[in-house]
Amino acid sequence: AQRVTQPEKLLSVFKGAPVELKCNYSYSGSPELFWYVQYSRQRLQLLLRHISRESIKGFTADLNKGETSFHLKKPFAQEEDSAMYYCALNDNAGNMLTFGGGTRLMVKP
Amino acid sequence: NAGVTQTPKFRVLKTGQSMTLLCAQDMNHEYMYWYRQDPGMGLRLIHYSVGEGTTAKGEVPDGYNVSRLKKQNFLLGLESAAPSQTSVYFCASSWGTGWNSPLHFGNGTRLTVT
Repeated sequence: AQRVTQPEKLLSVFKGAPVELKCNYSYSGSPELFWYVQYSRQRLQLLLRHISRESIKGFTADLNKGETSFHLKKPFAQEEDSAMYYCALNDNAGNMLTFGGGTRLMVKP
Repeated sequence: NAGVTQTPKFRVLKTGQSMTLLCAQDMNHEYMYWYRQDPGMGLRLIHYSVGEGTTAKGEVPDGYNVSRLKKQNFLLGLESAAPSQTSVYFCASSWGTGWNSPLHFGNGTRLTVT
């Protein structure tokens, strides 16, 4: 069965510092990976997906199949980045999106 | 266009009571999902539906039932609530599966079972 692990429950950085939210997965096939974000008092929403190789709000994430990782990175954190971040995996064979445990990012002024 | 709407937003139940959570979407999505969110455990899929009249079990289906009588609605039922079902419940919908079909979430329902 697939699994998504986010080792850090809480990540606290200062404004302007680089940030990396870790995500590791276990899946034997070719995964589709996503990052979802939940800002305070807002609903959970898609941030970015690996296949698009996009940069959203300054965040990027690279799929590393060798390390089975999909870490989310931003070179200069902003206070408005403070939120709950979830890494998710779609096995592409079924209809279930598997989420990690989430990482709360706090960006301090 | 309201997206995904969940009712109620909050509820407190006593052990053994029953209730139904309603999820409605106005995007004509085929797929609908119910997740529960617990600290440190992320979102876990309870049940899902791939179309009107269909339902399927997710990762943690025990103690819950669902129905999809209309395409736009997906109901989650608790027949006999237990304290272990205290959680935040999220409904989501998508038009398909895969990278091009992101999930659209509701605002959540916070349920406390005493």
